[in-house]
Order: sequence, then C-alpha cells, then structure tokens
Amino acid sequence: ETGVTQTPRHLVMGMTNKKSLKCEQHLGHNAMYWYKQSAKKPLELMFVYNFKEQTENNSVPSRFSPECPNSSHLFLHLHTLQPEDSALYLCASSQAAGTTFYGYTFGSGTRLTVV
Amino acid sequence: DAKTTQPNSMESNEEEPVHLPCNHSTISGTDYIHWYRQLPSQGPEYVIHGLTSNVNNRMASLAIAEDRKSSTLILHRATLRDAAVYYCILRDGNRDDKIIFGKGTRLHILP
Repeated sequence: ETGVTQTPRHLVMGMTNKKSLKCEQHLGHNAMYWYKQSAKKPLELMFVYNFKEQTENNSVPSRFSPECPNSSHLFLHLHTLQPEDSALYLCASSQAAGTTFYGYTFGSGTRLTVV
Repeated sequence: DAKTTQPNSMESNEEEPVHLPCNHSTISGTDYIHWYRQLPSQGPEYVIHGLTSNVNNRMASLAIAEDRKSSTLILHRATLRDAAVYYCILRDGNRDDKIIFGKGTRLHILP
C-alpha cells in the first residue's frame, strides 16, 4: 500500500455508461493528479488539483470530468467513452506547489476497458 | 521543457550492480533530476532525486556528472523485484512543474 487508494481496480463499461473512478489519500498532501497510461505510450498527465482547485487541464476531452471535493479525495467521472479511452488511470498526490521538493505518491491505478 | 534520453531497455544479472544512464544535455541550473520506477501492474514510485551532488538512499544511488548533462541511477545489488521501467525526469525547483514522464528504460533482471 502506497497511501493512495484507487477504486475500483478494474472496470469494464459500455460506451453509453456513466461511471466514476475514486482516489483517496490520507498522507496530508494538498495536490492531486490524474494520469492516463495507454498501452505502449508514456504516462499522460490529465488534471492537476492544488488545494481542491483545478490548476491544470491538459486538453482532456469533456467526457472526462474530474471532481475534488476536498484535499483527500479525487474523482474522475466518465461518460460516453470511446474504446480508445481504455487504459490504466493513475491517481497521484503530493505536497502542494511552492515547496522545495515534493515527490509524488501514486496509487495502483484503475484498469478501464470500454466496450 | 528540458528533455531526457534513456535507453529503451537494459538487462542485468541478479545480485549484480546496475547502472541506468540518463542524458539531459539541456538541463537548466534549477532543474532537479528525479527518478521513478514502475513495477508491473503498479503505479510509479519515487526512487531518488538530486540537484548537483551524488545522493544515496536505501533504494539506490544517484551519480550526477559534474556538468549535470547526464546522470546514472545505480542499483547496488539487483534483485528480481527490481525489474521495472525506470524513468529519469527533470523538474524545475523554482516553478510549479508537474512530473512529466517519458518512455523510460525497461530493466530486465536475469536470474
């Protein structure tokens, strides 16, 4: 266990479904991130939250909708996905920007398959 | 953004030292060198980081060239559990930089 918990670990959804991915950390971190890892491609940063505020959206399609109700929880709401959205979705947390060093702690990810 | 170059893959024998190279010829004076690794079926994990001086921790050592244009992650005694993808990442210590991953080096450990 890394201290960052992602649920579910695996998810299969149809293109018309709506589902949500959940990320939770109790490390005292104030920044949280969503990354996408597709087969044969490097990890792609999707969203960044600092102190519950979204500070970066890396040109992510609107069918992915993040939510950060507090510094410990991060959600990724999914709707009308495409098969090419199938990937490993990773959540990470860190101390907020402005500190000298802050390593990222990653969860184990949610393996998403869109059928 | 400053970029890093790593070999796509490397092999090493179990219980021997492993030296993973990283080139970063365009590194700026405020860029820290970070290493992460990703074990199979897991998210990445922090390994080590440094700015100018060599660094040691319980996982590995980081050797940084004097001109900072390259660095080497050293695993002193590789085990099968060290088989992973290793990422070398530059991160500006003065800015709100995110961790941006490249392709990394896939390390195979031979028993």
